[in-house]
Amino acid sequence: GENVEQHPSTLSVQEGDSAVIKCTYSDSASNYFPWYKQELGKGPQLIIDIRSNVGEKKDQRIAVTLNKTAKHFSLHITETQPEDSAVYFCAASMRANAGKSTFGDGTTLTVKP
Amino acid sequence: DTAVSQTPKYLVTQMGNDKSIKCEQNLGHDTMYWYKQDSKKFLKIMFSYNNKELIINETVPNRFSPKSPDKAHLNLHINSLELGDSAVYFCASSQAQYNEQFFGPGTRLTVL
Repeated sequence: GENVEQHPSTLSVQEGDSAVIKCTYSDSASNYFPWYKQELGKGPQLIIDIRSNVGEKKDQRIAVTLNKTAKHFSLHITETQPEDSAVYFCAASMRANAGKSTFGDGTTLTVKP
Repeated sequence: DTAVSQTPKYLVTQMGNDKSIKCEQNLGHDTMYWYKQDSKKFLKIMFSYNNKELIINETVPNRFSPKSPDKAHLNLHINSLELGDSAVYFCASSQAQYNEQFFGPGTRLTVL
């Protein structure tokens, strides 16, 4: 089955700096890659996603890049703010597998003011 | 309006008991899921239903039984609770099997 590895497990940055979280996946058939943010005591919430026909997608301070050949994708957050502090999950899914999403193990991001 | 709701939010119970968690979504989605998040925050899918039909059933003990009375509801019943069942359980829904998932607020289950 699909295996998703996420790095780093923890990340601490100063407010205003950039943060990058990387994920690799194993199944080349995966073609949908969402990123979720989970704040303390809440459920995960989608912040950005990308499908395999696109190499990059941006939404204000957040961007995701996808390298299908290398089977990895990354989340970039620029100009970080304290409210960006949360656990971030990447995931990979494919239509063929009933759309099952395999999640990475999560990255705890701390933005220091 | 809460899109995906779960009850109860907290559940504390003794080993060996049977308990249920309820989930409802008002988004009109076809697909619903149950996830388990352990103490290390790892998020693992347990079950998925599409139009009341079970489509994903991961390696989960038979003590866990999902039930979907209709498209908007997916309940989780757990028999003979064990200490290792302690976790946060999340319900989620999506428009199709291959799209953004909307998660509920979670149910923290503690087995004593």
